[in-house]
Amino acid sequence: EDQVTQSPEALRLQEGESSSLNCSYTVSGLRGLFWYRQDPGKGPEFLFTLYSAGEEKEKERLKATLTKKESFLHITAPKPEDSATYLCAVRNTGGFKTIFGAGTRLFVKA
Amino acid sequence: DVKVTQSSRYLVKRTGEKVFLECVQDMDHENMFWYRQDPGLGLRLIYFSYDVKMKEKGDIPEGYSVSREKKERFSLILESASTNQTSMYLCASSSHPAMYEQYFGPGTRLTVT
Repeated sequence: EDQVTQSPEALRLQEGESSSLNCSYTVSGLRGLFWYRQDPGKGPEFLFTLYSAGEEKEKERLKATLTKKESFLHITAPKPEDSATYLCAVRNTGGFKTIFGAGTRLFVKA
Repeated sequence: DVKVTQSSRYLVKRTGEKVFLECVQDMDHENMFWYRQDPGLGLRLIYFSYDVKMKEKGDIPEGYSVSREKKERFSLILESASTNQTSMYLCASSSHPAMYEQYFGPGTRLTVT
């Protein structure tokens, strides 16, 4: 069964303290892996799509990487405005669904 | 920018009522989706539609139905609302034929009492 597990559930950082969020996945065949950001009371906002192992994408202080079993979202020198829930999702080659993880809640303190 | 709007941000309904949630997108996307989001469970797909008048069941379709009469509009219907349908409902749309990245609306927080 296709599955996405994110860790940790919550992460508290000081401003400027770099860290990584993990997304482990099990999928029959990977069509794409996605990262979204969700602010409280709002819908998820698309960040990145990764298609194959070894691929990396960057946006401001965020960098997403992909291996055959997991993806990392690296946050470099975070700011309080980076506080949000980060969702990971996968799309397999055989079906029509995107499977979402439960998310990691990131808190960045000034 | 893609814009997905939902008819209500907050909604309170009574058990047994018929509830309509509407979603409109302005980017001519073929694919539209309804999810519910509950703490610790992530997003779960209720229904999706890949064309006008076409629909497919997701993971949790029981107690819900959908309607897509126009390309830009996708409605979720709770036939007889129950307390276990209290949740955040999110609509999304996507243009890619393989339904890759999705663009979400702001969500509707539904409370059934």
